[in-house]
Amino acid sequence: DAKTTQPTSMDCAEGRAANLPCNHSTISGNEYVYWYRQIHSQGPQYIIHGLKNNETNEMASLIITEDRKSSTLILPHATLRDTAVYYCIVRVPNQGGKLIFGQGTELSVKP
Amino acid sequence: EAQVTQNPRYLITVTGKKLTVTCSQNMNHEYMSWYRQDPGLGLRQIYYSMNVEVTDKGDVPEGYKVSRKEKRNFPLILESPSPNQTSLYFCASSFSDTPAFFGQGTRLTVV
Repeated sequence: DAKTTQPTSMDCAEGRAANLPCNHSTISGNEYVYWYRQIHSQGPQYIIHGLKNNETNEMASLIITEDRKSSTLILPHATLRDTAVYYCIVRVPNQGGKLIFGQGTELSVKP
Repeated sequence: EAQVTQNPRYLITVTGKKLTVTCSQNMNHEYMSWYRQDPGLGLRQIYYSMNVEVTDKGDVPEGYKVSRKEKRNFPLILESPSPNQTSLYFCASSFSDTPAFFGQGTRLTVV
């Protein structure tokens, strides 16, 4: 069973920040939160991950609450090419890097 | 270029005709996994491998076999395909503590 819940869909205006929330209230202490996105039916693309600290890279920022029960992915300046399904995922340690996918959020970036 | 390569990308076959989907990675990753993606069910892990000659079942292993004779290759074998195995398949690879790279997918139709 998925360990994360996300809104089914969201819209964002081009050039604005996209904030995608995720709940993972049953996450274990050694499980990381990963974010991937999937454009059409291509292979999922890695975005960012974290354990308990906030993280930033060239694509996005990840804010994890202190209790680790939820997180937010931030795309600071969304473009039309960011339109995709975004998955918030819990990674299970030692099971071959198993990723437990939920249903994801379909983000539509509009001009 | 770092990549996970799956072949074929598209395949239509008949019930009961054995087939193999190949997966190869050029990053020397220990971990490799197979996932299937179905509408409404998201991506689910079929099998995984944590190193050469080490494989284990994921969440939906029935009807599939895998092997890991070399580090770079992790083929998925369907001995007797059935229509309920019609799906989009992804291979992924990683080190134990790094994000997974996904292949571009194999769309399989069993008639």
